[in-house]
Amino acid sequence: SYDLTQPPSVSVFPGQTASIICSGDNLGNKYVCWYQQKPGQSPVLVIYQDTKRPSGIPERLSGSSSGNTATLTIRGTQAIDEADYYCQAWDSNTVVFGGGTKLTVL
Amino acid sequence: EVQLVESGGGLGQPGGSLRLSCEASGFTFSSYWMHWVRQAPGKGLVWVSHINTDGSRTNYADSVKGRFTISRDNAKNTLYLQMDSLRVEDTAVYYCARRPVSGFGELNNWGQGTLVTVSS
Repeated sequence: SYDLTQPPSVSVFPGQTASIICSGDNLGNKYVCWYQQKPGQSPVLVIYQDTKRPSGIPERLSGSSSGNTATLTIRGTQAIDEADYYCQAWDSNTVVFGGGTKLTVL
Repeated sequence: EVQLVESGGGLGQPGGSLRLSCEASGFTFSSYWMHWVRQAPGKGLVWVSHINTDGSRTNYADSVKGRFTISRDNAKNTLYLQMDSLRVEDTAVYYCARRPVSGFGELNNWGQGTLVTVSS
């Protein structure tokens, strides 16, 4: 089965840039998307097809992908960005999620 | 407005059965692939199953294959998950989610989830 690996936690000061990395074999050859999930809420799609933002998602969230890694970058991090973030890819007719990264805004 | 509303969760016995439903509104349900995703308490998201637009193609995670059955009734705009031979490790919030028509695997709308607890 295909695996996606994320760091369990990332911390950032307000106003700084947070980067969350997702790793998987030849991940650059697959489309990656990212979800934000706040406590007690359902996941929200924030990046799809590696770099695209759904309507309503702020421009300070961006995505990139190359080689074996995909990255979610949050510029000018705010307290409201504190959440769990999950990467996801499509492989062999299944949906695969990373283990999730808890972003803490210090 | 796209809405997905899950129901049917609750307490199930090990070895028992539960049937989850997901009622869709605000879009043409029959045009979209649909998925079930679960999240155990304090844990991450885990994909469970998906079904294509007319129900002719399905797939399952290995952990539920042979025990869970996904189906849909396009006339009723409703997605189902029949859960048989329940195990304690099936305890989770179960979300239904929609894949965009032109999507590449992403899930752009999620329900609020329904909690399934398997315990004796």
